[in-house]
Amino acid sequence: ILNVEQSPQSLHVQEGDSTNFTCSFPSSNFYALHWYRWETAKSPEALFVMTLNGDEKKKGRISATLNTKEGYSYLYIKGSQPEDSATYLCAFRGRSQGNLIFGKGTKLSVKP
Amino acid sequence: EAGVTQSPTHLIKTRGQQATLRCSPISGHTSVYWYQQALGLGLQFLLWYDEGEERNRGNFPPRFSGRQFPNYSSELNVNALELEDSALYLCASTLNIAGANSYEQYFGPGTRLTVT
Repeated sequence: ILNVEQSPQSLHVQEGDSTNFTCSFPSSNFYALHWYRWETAKSPEALFVMTLNGDEKKKGRISATLNTKEGYSYLYIKGSQPEDSATYLCAFRGRSQGNLIFGKGTKLSVKP
Repeated sequence: EAGVTQSPTHLIKTRGQQATLRCSPISGHTSVYWYQQALGLGLQFLLWYDEGEERNRGNFPPRFSGRQFPNYSSELNVNALELEDSALYLCASTLNIAGANSYEQYFGPGTRLTVT
């Protein structure tokens, strides 16, 4: 059974703090690693798709890194804002499958 | 460009009944995926349809089935509903061709199914 783990489960930070989350996934049979941002009552929003070992992606204040050899990815948010409050999901896609295997997510709350 | 749409938004059924959930993918997308999020759990993969065919299914009983229509929209059917089927059901669509853009799965807002 393929397992994707995310930590921490939840995080409470102050506005302006920088933060990071971890996603662990199987290091074999890797195809792609996805990050999503999911606000309550909305659709999950795609942040990044990462495919190559050593990939680094950036979108505004949010960035992500990928290590496929050891099976982990980090998501960083610089200078958190209240609008960053959401659940951040990572999802693994293996070579032999089309579907994504999701972690349970990290719920971020940013206090003004 | 319209995103992935799902209907209904909410659905209330009683145990033993059947539920039908619908999904319309982004125009041009040929693959549709169904996921379930039950309380306390992460998104669990249910079914994958591409070009009208079922390509893969997750670890769910045969009561969960579906189909994809010629216009690539999809239905998820859940028969003989049980209380533990109460969950948020999300649909996602993607282009199923080689290339970076085909990796992305775009999600709809979901259908909240409540079984009483």
